[in-house]
Amino acid sequence: DAGVTQSPTHLIKTRGQHVTLRCSPISGHKSVSWYQQVLGQGPQFIFQYYEKEERGRGNFPDRFSARQFPNYSSELNVNALLLGDSALYLCASSLEAGTGVYEQYFGPGTRLTVT
Amino acid sequence: AQRVTQPEKLLSVFKGAPVELKCNYSYSGSPELFWYVQYSRQRLQLLLRHISRESIKGFTADLNKGETSFHLKKPFAQEEDSAMYYCALNNAGNMLTFGGGTRLMVKP
Repeated sequence: DAGVTQSPTHLIKTRGQHVTLRCSPISGHKSVSWYQQVLGQGPQFIFQYYEKEERGRGNFPDRFSARQFPNYSSELNVNALLLGDSALYLCASSLEAGTGVYEQYFGPGTRLTVT
Repeated sequence: AQRVTQPEKLLSVFKGAPVELKCNYSYSGSPELFWYVQYSRQRLQLLLRHISRESIKGFTADLNKGETSFHLKKPFAQEEDSAMYYCALNNAGNMLTFGGGTRLMVKP
């Protein structure tokens, strides 16, 4: 298993545009979480999905949305991009979610630059 | 609200010296804390979790609820320990709150 995979690796967008980031979890993992990591800071939680349902949402504006597909892969969408959205976007998968502690496995991230 | 603070952005030590990476948290419930590590050009990965009370690569971390701390320690640093270290708090449902990170540099 290649672990969590994310695409694309890098992309450059212009302010006001829309972007879609993709994540494939480890085989057998049902939960996917998204984090934003601004340069010089720790990752910040955006969303968690489990069995195609949103289980948690961080303090991000409605321009951010996500979904999870029947094969447990996930997309993160960001509308009306701002310069401040420039960051590394990390996807993490875990076996389960909810009660109990499940190790999260991180992908390599997608580097988004907004100009 | 939950919060994780790592007061040092950079910690530089010589090989063989003891290391302590500081982490303080604020959380109203019973905390579940982790240390994650990111080596150069590698993914963020779990180093250890407080509930397992294990030692990984010589690192240990003790949860001190009185001081709301979860410091990461190693008695003798190795050059291969050089990396970014993040302390993280597990909110209900495995949603992580990370600290800002500490870069550890171990000099030969």
